[in-house]
Amino acid sequence: NAGVTQTPKFRVLKTGQSMTLLCAQDMNHEYMYWYRQDPGMGLRLIHYSVGEGTTAKGEVPDGYNVSRLKKQNFLLGLESAAPSQTSVYFCASSLAGTLYGELFFGEGSRLTVL
Amino acid sequence: AQSVAQPEDQVNVAEGNPLTVKCTYSVSGNPYLFWYVQYPNRGLQFLLKYITGDNLVKGSYGFEAEFNKSQTSFHLKKPSALVSDSALYFCAVRGASGTYKYIFGTGTRLKVLA
Repeated sequence: NAGVTQTPKFRVLKTGQSMTLLCAQDMNHEYMYWYRQDPGMGLRLIHYSVGEGTTAKGEVPDGYNVSRLKKQNFLLGLESAAPSQTSVYFCASSLAGTLYGELFFGEGSRLTVL
Repeated sequence: AQSVAQPEDQVNVAEGNPLTVKCTYSVSGNPYLFWYVQYPNRGLQFLLKYITGDNLVKGSYGFEAEFNKSQTSFHLKKPSALVSDSALYFCAVRGASGTYKYIFGTGTRLKVLA
C-alpha cells in the first residue's frame, strides 16, 4: 500500500505564482488534513475535510484554498504565493469510523517562495 | 480552544537511561491524546494514543505514555533509551466528539547520546 502520497516533493516558486499540492490516499479514509511545519512552531492546521465535497478552515487558512472532489484526493492551492508560505507541507488522513483514530502522514512537500 | 504545550525544545539523555518527553494540554471535555515521531526529512509516524481506560498507554518501539487528568499531562516515556530513538517528537490533542481538528505541540527534539 502506498498510504498517503504527496506531489510534488519539492517546488520553488516566485512571489505571486500559483501552484497546487496534491495529496492522495489509498486507505479509504474519510478525513484528510493539510498542515504546515515551520521551525519552532510545530505543525499548524491549514484546512481539513471530513468527507468528499466538504472542507473547513484550520488555524492558518489565509492564502490557501482546498478542494476535495474525490474521496481519495485533497488538493491544497496557493493562488498568489508569498515568501511567508515557504514551509514544509504535510497531508494526513484518518478513518472516520474510529472517531479518535490516529493520523497517517505523507512524506511532505517542501515549498520555497522567492 | 484546544492547545498543546511541549515545554522542552530539546531533551538529552544517555543511551540506556530512561527518558521522558513532556506534554500538557488544554481541551474542553474529554481529551484524545497522541504521540508522533518524526525522523529527518520524513513524515510523522504514530507512536501511541490515549482515548479512555488505563492511564498508562503502551505503544510502538517500547514507548509508553501516562495520562494524568488532574495535571492535564500526557508525558512520553521509555525505560531505556536507544541512540536510534533520536528524533523529533510531537504531542497532539483532539477534543470531544464532533471536533475533527488535531492540534499539535511545537515538538521536542530528543537526542540520545552513546
